[in-house]
Amino acid sequence: RKEVEQDPGPFNVPEGATVAFNCTYSNSASQSFFWYRQDCRKEPKLLMSVYSSGNEDGRFTAQLNRASQYISLLIRDSKLSDSATYLCVVNARKLIWGLGTSLAVNP
Amino acid sequence: DGGITQSPKYLFRKEGQNVTLSCEQNLNHDAMYWYRQDPGQGLRLIYYSQIVNDFQKGDIAEGYSVSREKKESFPLTVTSAQKNPTAFYLCASSREGTGRLSGANVLTFGAGSRLTVL
Repeated sequence: RKEVEQDPGPFNVPEGATVAFNCTYSNSASQSFFWYRQDCRKEPKLLMSVYSSGNEDGRFTAQLNRASQYISLLIRDSKLSDSATYLCVVNARKLIWGLGTSLAVNP
Repeated sequence: DGGITQSPKYLFRKEGQNVTLSCEQNLNHDAMYWYRQDPGQGLRLIYYSQIVNDFQKGDIAEGYSVSREKKESFPLTVTSAQKNPTAFYLCASSREGTGRLSGANVLTFGAGSRLTVL
């Protein structure tokens, strides 16, 4: 089993749609969690950290479920500019990166 | 504005040549990292440094070398011993090391260096 697993997609959604990504992790001792966004041939950029109680930043909501060992990212009212690959990152004394989920938002 | 500068952005190298990738940060971060990204693979850690004059091997250090003589700088040398050097190389930094990463201490990346071996 991979340490961090994500559905690679691609997710193709129309503008305005709501889309959700999940990410599962294997190390129950993982301490912190992040979502990064990576545009094609660019560097990853932090989208948001994920807190135990869940957190929201505008149209983006992140949730953590420690019992089931997964984190999620919800994007509401998708924009064309949200098209990117979303990387799940888990800190288990070292950072473990998922392979990413590709999102394409279509007009 | 503070940030991380990587150079060159694109680099072509002949087989058997060493090449050095530059990474400079003005964020006053203690920790710096080098990652490699290949198509279809997640980011893989090459080397990291938590403090000046100290660095540790990551998961794929073979064929690479680094130095950390200044807080701001963490150059990576890709040696001829690296069997598959063609990749996208990413430098990153954080205020504190991996063991203390949290919402207030996150990884920031440079724009990357794309190395192609001919």
